[in-house]
Amino acid sequence: AQTVTQSQPEMSVQEAETVTLSCTYDTSENNYYLFWYKQPPSRQMILVIRQEAYKQQNATENRFSVNFQKAAKSFSLKISDSQLGDTAMYFCAFMNPGNQFYFGTGTSLTVIP
Amino acid sequence: EAGVAQSPRYKIIEKRQSVAFWCNPISGHATLYWYQQILGQGPKLLIQFQNNGVVDDSQLPKDRFSAERLKGVDSTLKIQPAKLEDSAVYLCASSLKRTGDDSPLHFGNGTRLTVT
Repeated sequence: AQTVTQSQPEMSVQEAETVTLSCTYDTSENNYYLFWYKQPPSRQMILVIRQEAYKQQNATENRFSVNFQKAAKSFSLKISDSQLGDTAMYFCAFMNPGNQFYFGTGTSLTVIP
Repeated sequence: EAGVAQSPRYKIIEKRQSVAFWCNPISGHATLYWYQQILGQGPKLLIQFQNNGVVDDSQLPKDRFSAERLKGVDSTLKIQPAKLEDSAVYLCASSLKRTGDDSPLHFGNGTRLTVT
């Protein structure tokens, strides 16, 4: 089975600053997908960004970007120009070719005004 | 596009009682998932359906949990009898599921269950 590890239970960042959330995973698969989800207090999980393992180029979505290191099995999320609305739990997720998803334990991010 | 619908939003029951949760996925989404999220933890997969067939239920406590998706659309998750440790948020998610693509999960708002 695949495992996803998020080693930072809590993080904080000043508004307008940049923060990086870490994620590592373990798998024997060669083709897979990685995701970052955001879960605000409202509880709904929202997709932030996705990355295909076979693509070397790191994915970007506006202020969100990833640093995908396939050999190291690392998938970190960088949030630039942090906003108060970015305060939430962030979950790293791994999807295998069978569309089975595995989630990390989450990182609670607080953006400080 | 309408999102994943779940009901109820909250439920409080006593231990040993039964409870049922309902989920209606996004139209056209073949794959449906039920996750259990205990406070402070990441979602844990309970069961995954592909249309009306079960793909993975290895982590479903089958002595007390059951789920069905009879017509390959909406789904019901039941707990009978409930235990205190079942207190959690139950999330339903769906995806298009095309082999080899990166169909992301779309989540509902979840049902917060409290067992007293």
